[in-house]
Amino acid sequence: AQSVTQLGSHVSVSEGALVLLRCNYSSSVPPYLFWYVQYPNQGLQLLLKYTTGATLVKGINGFEAEFKKSETSFHLTKPSAHMSDAAEYFCAVSMEYGNKLVFGAGTILRVKS
Amino acid sequence: GAGVSQSPSNKVTEKGKDVELRCDPISGHTALYWYRQRLGQGLEFLIYFQGNSAPDKSGLPSDRFSAERTGESVSTLTIQRTQQEDSAVYLCASSLSRLAGGQGETQYFGPGTRLLVL
Repeated sequence: AQSVTQLGSHVSVSEGALVLLRCNYSSSVPPYLFWYVQYPNQGLQLLLKYTTGATLVKGINGFEAEFKKSETSFHLTKPSAHMSDAAEYFCAVSMEYGNKLVFGAGTILRVKS
Repeated sequence: GAGVSQSPSNKVTEKGKDVELRCDPISGHTALYWYRQRLGQGLEFLIYFQGNSAPDKSGLPSDRFSAERTGESVSTLTIQRTQQEDSAVYLCASSLSRLAGGQGETQYFGPGTRLLVL
């Protein structure tokens, strides 16, 4: 069965610092990979996704992620954190017919001023 | 509507009662998904509808859970004889699923229904 591991349930960075949220998946074949963000009291919003092609994927709000097959990773980065980035971030994978997503447990990002 | 809508937004019920949750997908989306998010955990897949195909019920945790969808419209998730462990946020998502199997299609999520079983 597929699984997704997000290292660190909470990550704290200073405003302007690099954001790095880690995601590793277990799969014997390349999956489809997603990052979603959930702001307080709001629904999930897609940040970016990898399906095929270029392994460096750019998303909204300055976020990007790189699919590394050899490391089974899809880490999310942003060069400079903003206060508005404070939210919970979920990594998800899909490789089965029907696209049902398997989610990681989530990482809460805190941005300090 | 512009996005996926769900109702009610909050539901408090007593243990043993039945509850019904509703999801209105984005118009034109053929695929609809239900997920559950327990406190402090990631989302768990519950059930998937794709057009007129038989639904994928592999994520339903027990036979107390069931869901229906008529065509490509509204879906209802029913939980019978609710238990305290059913307390969670129930999220609905929909996608276009133009691609074969729907892999890689973006799922658009509703705001969820927060269920509390006392």
